[in-house]
Amino acid sequence: GAVVSQHPSRVICKSGTSVKIECRSLDFQATTMFWYRQFPKQSLMLMATSNEGSKATYEQGVEKDKFLINHASLTLSTLTVTSAHPEDSSFYICSASEGSEAFFGQGTRLTVV
Amino acid sequence: GENVEQHPSTLSVQEGDSAVIKCTYSDSASNYFPWYKQELGKRPQLIIDIRSNVGEKKDQRIAVTLNKTAKHFSLHITETQPEDSAVYFCAASIGGGFGNEKLTFGTGTRLTIIP
Repeated sequence: GAVVSQHPSRVICKSGTSVKIECRSLDFQATTMFWYRQFPKQSLMLMATSNEGSKATYEQGVEKDKFLINHASLTLSTLTVTSAHPEDSSFYICSASEGSEAFFGQGTRLTVV
Repeated sequence: GENVEQHPSTLSVQEGDSAVIKCTYSDSASNYFPWYKQELGKRPQLIIDIRSNVGEKKDQRIAVTLNKTAKHFSLHITETQPEDSAVYFCAASIGGGFGNEKLTFGTGTRLTIIP
């Protein structure tokens, strides 16, 4: 199947700093990518839809100025958590579709200390 | 928006027995229902999906049934094996399953197979 690569897999940062997470489709082009957040033992909550060449579409309750999304190419979307706080600590995961199937990145565990 | 509920949240079955996980959805426009398996520390992976034009789909030990009238769909795993232990998520979409689906996920079921 198609491969979606996410980097980094783990990151620890200090409160107030920003963290960038990359999501790449390795062997296919993705005009749309999705960013999810997953709390421990909970479901995947859609945060935003990343659209190549245009602004991301954010779900209700997700602060667009805090979670900056850039989809500058057909194979790369980035999520930047700005001015991170401990409550932003979570598992972030992206997905992209190749054909009819959605493929997920391996996820990024963010810990804000 | 769409709301997907999933039950049970945890399920333990003896190896070789069957496991059933149920989901209900709220948006009657939903027409694509995939199921994902997430092993500990790994990414979710699609195991089976069903579109609204069929009522049942089977792939070896895994089957999914869909009742559009009642707005619920179920995952059935027969002859369970230890490697079936994982968290299973159902999802729903109005996109038809043709790609770039905006998926609404259920809350997940932690399935444990007891050897």
